[in-house]
Amino acid sequence: EMQLVESGGGLVKPGLSLRLSCAASGFTFTDAWMRWVRQAPGRGLEWVGHIKSRSYGGTADYAAAVNGRFTISRDDSKNTVYLQMNSLETEDTAVYYCSTEITLGGVIYWGQGALVTVSS
Amino acid sequence: IQLTQSPSSLSASVGDRVTITCRASQGINNYLAWHQQKPGKAPKLLIYAGSTLQSEVPSRFSGSGSGTDFTLTINSLQPEDFATYYCQQVNSNPWTFGQGTKVEI
Repeated sequence: EMQLVESGGGLVKPGLSLRLSCAASGFTFTDAWMRWVRQAPGRGLEWVGHIKSRSYGGTADYAAAVNGRFTISRDDSKNTVYLQMNSLETEDTAVYYCSTEITLGGVIYWGQGALVTVSS
Repeated sequence: IQLTQSPSSLSASVGDRVTITCRASQGINNYLAWHQQKPGKAPKLLIYAGSTLQSEVPSRFSGSGSGTDFTLTINSLQPEDFATYYCQQVNSNPWTFGQGTKVEI
């Protein structure tokens, strides 16, 4: 069974850092582009960034709002993708979802989400 | 790629037929998905590849369209269909989403 499980959310003060993890199972993780999507309270879904599979270079791309502050990495040996969030701002308060699709245009899978609250 | 979803909200009765539209700013080769989201829950995939019903999703949900214009139809609306619906394109990076349609019963 395909599964994505996020962890690491919590309350953090502005300017500080937090790292989210997303553990994957039930599919060939090494072949998957892994995505992070967030949803601020009462708002819609917003793409945060993604990391390509190793066969596509394993590089990451980011939304303008987080570029330079957030870093996505992956550990294929652990089937886990990470979202390192530095210099957090109150506007980063959101539920962060890990997501992927196994084939282009195919089924899209979501984790249960991790709540990040940035507040003093 | 920008996705424009309409309406932003609607009110309907049980048994009604509901239609939500999603327009892309350029062609997306039918690589469009529809998700349902209930408060406090993760999005749930309903439709992918424009019209393919995800496993275990009731057949009252259907998707259609091609190119830039897509539609989600809910036939015979049920009380559990109260939710917000999002379209999403996966044709090109980055993924983008419509702004959502809140369906009130």
